[in-house]
Amino acid sequence: AAGVIQSPRHLIKEKRETATLKCYPIPRHDTVYWYQQGPGQDPQFLISFYEKMQSDKGSIPDRFSAQQFSDYHSELNMSSLELGDSALYFCASSLGRWGDPSGEQYFGPGTRLTVT
Amino acid sequence: DAKTTQPTSMDCAEGRAANLPCNHSTISGNEYVYWYRQIHSQGPQYIIHGLKNNETNEMASLIITEDRKSSTLILPHATLRDTAVYYCIVRIRDDKIIFGKGTRLHILP
Repeated sequence: AAGVIQSPRHLIKEKRETATLKCYPIPRHDTVYWYQQGPGQDPQFLISFYEKMQSDKGSIPDRFSAQQFSDYHSELNMSSLELGDSALYFCASSLGRWGDPSGEQYFGPGTRLTVT
Repeated sequence: DAKTTQPTSMDCAEGRAANLPCNHSTISGNEYVYWYRQIHSQGPQYIIHGLKNNETNEMASLIITEDRKSSTLILPHATLRDTAVYYCIVRIRDDKIIFGKGTRLHILP
């Protein structure tokens, strides 16, 4: 079965640079979520989109922005990168909203961002 | 804050059933219980979810008590590949999954 696709899988950037992470949800899934997982930490919710509109927001820095496109893929844009942004970034998708009977989130393999 | 309580860690012998408990005493009547797991540095993996009735799929079984205040995830024949952190999750609000500390399950050869 098709899964969530994330690209790139690994990314190395320097401080103050920008990065763009991409997420391709499972076909027919209309909701996309972004999570950040620092070393030794649990995944932390950043932001979500339902039907191309932002639906929820977590502790996402102002330096980060995201959007969902007409084909439902999503991009997370990160500017003025800091050392503390080094983390795993996961994208998840669901059919409908989290909490709906079939709204379970399926996660991608993640993008490992290293800021030097 | 997570609305669930799980043991920090558990051991299980390979080939035996792994029973992972979770308390969710403040769960509301229409909230689902979800189980996810994360194998080191991989994306969290959805396992199963349920509302009131027991559920079974190809990965696991979920037993929910009648009062819905606790549940147990059962991996019927644990293998070394089941070594992971297991998260019991109840939706708190909106879209975010709030991962608690989970249970670190060690499968012993």
